[in-house]
Amino acid sequence: QVQLQESGPGLVKPSETLSLTCAVSGYPISTGYFWGWVRQPPGKGLEWIGSIYQSGITYYNPSLQSRVTLSVDTSKNQFSLKLSSVTAADTAVYYCARDGHYYDGRFLGGDYWGPGTLVTVSS
Amino acid sequence: AIQLTQSPSSLSASVGDRVTITCRASQGISSALAWYQQKPGRAPKVLIRDASNLESGVPSRFSGSGSGTDFTLTISSLQPEDFAAYYCQQFNSYPRTFGQGTKLEIK
Repeated sequence: QVQLQESGPGLVKPSETLSLTCAVSGYPISTGYFWGWVRQPPGKGLEWIGSIYQSGITYYNPSLQSRVTLSVDTSKNQFSLKLSSVTAADTAVYYCARDGHYYDGRFLGGDYWGPGTLVTVSS
Repeated sequence: AIQLTQSPSSLSASVGDRVTITCRASQGISSALAWYQQKPGRAPKVLIRDASNLESGVPSRFSGSGSGTDFTLTISSLQPEDFAAYYCQQFNSYPRTFGQGTKLEIK
């Protein structure tokens, strides 16, 4: 059973950098799939942040691209998110999830999510 | 970026009702669409992948259809546990995008 778990500070000061890590168990991320981050401000909808492949290939949401960096550590089976220059608008529940893609005509992934972690931006 | 427009944004219905939620893509995405259910304080749970493939363990009253730009999620007979928010997401291209969500409430 694939499981994902987010971790990191629950409170970040404005203008600082938000850093989160997603630990994956039950599946070696070096095997494949893109792994991504999604956030949800309180009472609002889901926003895709970005995805990363085990080789380091990344895709980012254009609206956040200038502030986001994703990285992967296959030796620890985890991947990470850094979001710089945060403001109150970045307050949200942050989820990590396995991204989906087509391979040989079959759709794979788009299935496993972590429970989410609330990050509040406040001084 | 591909925009996904869900409708309605909210819906009141009764137990036993048949409900349909639609998701329209701003350009063709083949069948690269998933539907998620989200309950308060919980992570989204996948219901349907590849537009119409029911996820293992998901009740058969849920079904998905569509391809190209128009997609639907249907709940054939609402149960009390189905009152939640529903989102579509496209996997055709990056950036990935979500619909704005549909909140299904008890009438």
